[in-house]
Amino acid sequence: SAVISQKPSRDICQRGTSLTIQCQVDSQVTMMFWYRQQPGQSLTLIATANQGSEATYESGFVIDKFPISRPNLTFSTLTVSNMSPEDSSIYLCSVLRLAGEISYEQYFGPGTRLTVT
Amino acid sequence: QKEVEQDPGPLSVPEGAIVSLNCTYSNSAFQYFMWYRQYSRKGPELLMYTYSSGNKEDGRFTAQVDKSSKYISLFIRDSQPSDSATYLCAMTQDTGFQKLVFGTGTRLLVSP
Repeated sequence: SAVISQKPSRDICQRGTSLTIQCQVDSQVTMMFWYRQQPGQSLTLIATANQGSEATYESGFVIDKFPISRPNLTFSTLTVSNMSPEDSSIYLCSVLRLAGEISYEQYFGPGTRLTVT
Repeated sequence: QKEVEQDPGPLSVPEGAIVSLNCTYSNSAFQYFMWYRQYSRKGPELLMYTYSSGNKEDGRFTAQVDKSSKYISLFIRDSQPSDSATYLCAMTQDTGFQKLVFGTGTRLLVSP
């Protein structure tokens, strides 16, 4: 498995401000991802954090709203910019690990619970 | 229509019961199927993964995939109060396991 930590674990922010969430993994991983989990909805992939290059965003998510950094193979940040109450959600970091010769497993961090007022 | 459908529950059972959790999906290209368990205020934890159709057993847990019906199940035998959590199904057609599509999760409550 993988040990993943996230900071902060929770925050309450005012609309219009930005929050940066940090994700740290206990060992080097090739793939890191950021997800959003809204109440009553399924986990939704925001983007793939690429080391040394721009993140790859999924449909409906843009870099200006969710800038991502990945300076090395164990660390990534997600910023939620110009927040509105609709951004209130749990944000989760995940990593991909090789689990066998041809299979992988995706592990998740504990999440950051964001409330925007 | 969502790609993956999952009854949100809650599903309440007494301790020792056999629990059946299910997901249906619409994309016939999905070939890797996973079950995650998520305790309150924690991240999802991978329980089991299955490739294509068939059964897989791990202790008290059995995962079943029926690709012809686009239906997957997770059975929990001899359920325990510690099994109380939200169970998420996930699936992908991606051999790199990168683009997972999740169900909304079923909340399970096991009473002593």
